[in-house]
Amino acid sequence: DVKVTQSSRYLVKRTGEKVFLECVQDMDHENMFWYRQDPGLGLRLIYFSYDVKMKEKGDIPEGYSVSREKKERFSLILESASTNQTSMYLCASNPGTGVNSPLHFGNGTRLTVT
Amino acid sequence: GNSVTQMEGPVTLSEEAFLTINCTYTATGYPSLFWYVQYPGEGLQLLLKATKADDKGSNKGFEATYRKETTSFHLEKGSVQVSDSAVYFCALRQGAQKLVFGQGTRLTINP
Repeated sequence: DVKVTQSSRYLVKRTGEKVFLECVQDMDHENMFWYRQDPGLGLRLIYFSYDVKMKEKGDIPEGYSVSREKKERFSLILESASTNQTSMYLCASNPGTGVNSPLHFGNGTRLTVT
Repeated sequence: GNSVTQMEGPVTLSEEAFLTINCTYTATGYPSLFWYVQYPGEGLQLLLKATKADDKGSNKGFEATYRKETTSFHLEKGSVQVSDSAVYFCALRQGAQKLVFGQGTRLTINP
């Protein structure tokens, strides 16, 4: 079974802090994604990556950056956390081939910024 | 741009009731359509999918038919169980690998 592991289940940070959310997948998937999930808004794509060192902006990249130095790891960085970034963050991956291959999600990191 | 609209929740039903969760989409061309489910405390997982018009996706007693004429992909189950309580997301993919999700519908099944 594919496993997508997010390093923290819950995180509390202060406004202005630099925050790192880590995600690791164990199935050699080319594609990795970061979403945020908010009530009434569903999932919105922040950034995604098709390969090591490659990244593309999603629908809401402002205030975020990402890093993919190794194929299995995709990090989301909040450069200066703000209260409107309080949310559930979900990492996902899928193979590069097969346009309809399903996304495999981690269990999420609930981030609270105070 | 592409978008997905789901019926607003929350939806509360009794065990063995019939379930419908509506989903409509806006897209150019012929997207692939998906239903994902999120059980409490977990990430999303694929429930079913359909890749072309009139296809029916099915899994775990759930079904959805890709209706191009009505741009819909409604989720149905004939007899729900308490274990079906979860949040359900409709999604579409067109072209590249990005999925577009609906806002989610929370379903609670009472015994």
